[in-house]
Amino acid sequence: DAEITQSPRHKITETGRQVTLACHQTWNHNNMFWYRQDLGHGLRLIHYSYGVQDTNKGEVSDGYSVSRSNTEDLPLTLESAASSQTSVYFCASSLGYLGEQYFGPGTRLTVT
Amino acid sequence: AQTVTQSQPEMSVQEAETVTLSCTYDTSESDYYLFWYKQPPSRQMILVIRQEAYKQQNATENRFSVNFQKAAKSFSLKISDSQLGDAAMYFCAYRPPPGGSQGNLIFGKGTKLSVKP
Repeated sequence: DAEITQSPRHKITETGRQVTLACHQTWNHNNMFWYRQDLGHGLRLIHYSYGVQDTNKGEVSDGYSVSRSNTEDLPLTLESAASSQTSVYFCASSLGYLGEQYFGPGTRLTVT
Repeated sequence: AQTVTQSQPEMSVQEAETVTLSCTYDTSESDYYLFWYKQPPSRQMILVIRQEAYKQQNATENRFSVNFQKAAKSFSLKISDSQLGDAAMYFCAYRPPPGGSQGNLIFGKGTKLSVKP
């Protein structure tokens, strides 16, 4: 069955370190998204991609970067982790505008 | 900028009763989509129901239905015959029309629903 996975599921890192969160989908979806979820804020869009080599900034993109070298993967990199980036991160994918957005299981990141 | 507001941080309902969760949104667009997502303690985001703005008929999925009032920019979720498994965070989400966007979702802050046995 097609799915969307995230790894790791839990991560603890130190301030200033570079961290990469993986997202892999087997739906063959062209659109992929990264959100962060914080108490009192719901989910907020970090970055998104409409296809290979395409990336766009979302509402809260500062301190994050993504790259899309193939259809299946959209890794999210925190260049220099900050305590304000402690959050739960969700990856999602969809097939075009009308497609349902499928979410991964989330990654809980703690920056100490 | 488009915004989504869920004014009820927490709600409670008795098992088998009906509950309505509120959502309002702000947009100048006429063609868009609205969604309700459920997030149980497992953290998995589950699509509950979707509504196309051009459709006047309210969407229904089994025990879940919406009251879509386009002029008032209101999109409430009604859960009938509430079950213990309905206990979760519920998020209202807005998807802008195509063009500059290809499906980005704008979420409200969520409503935590408790179901009492």
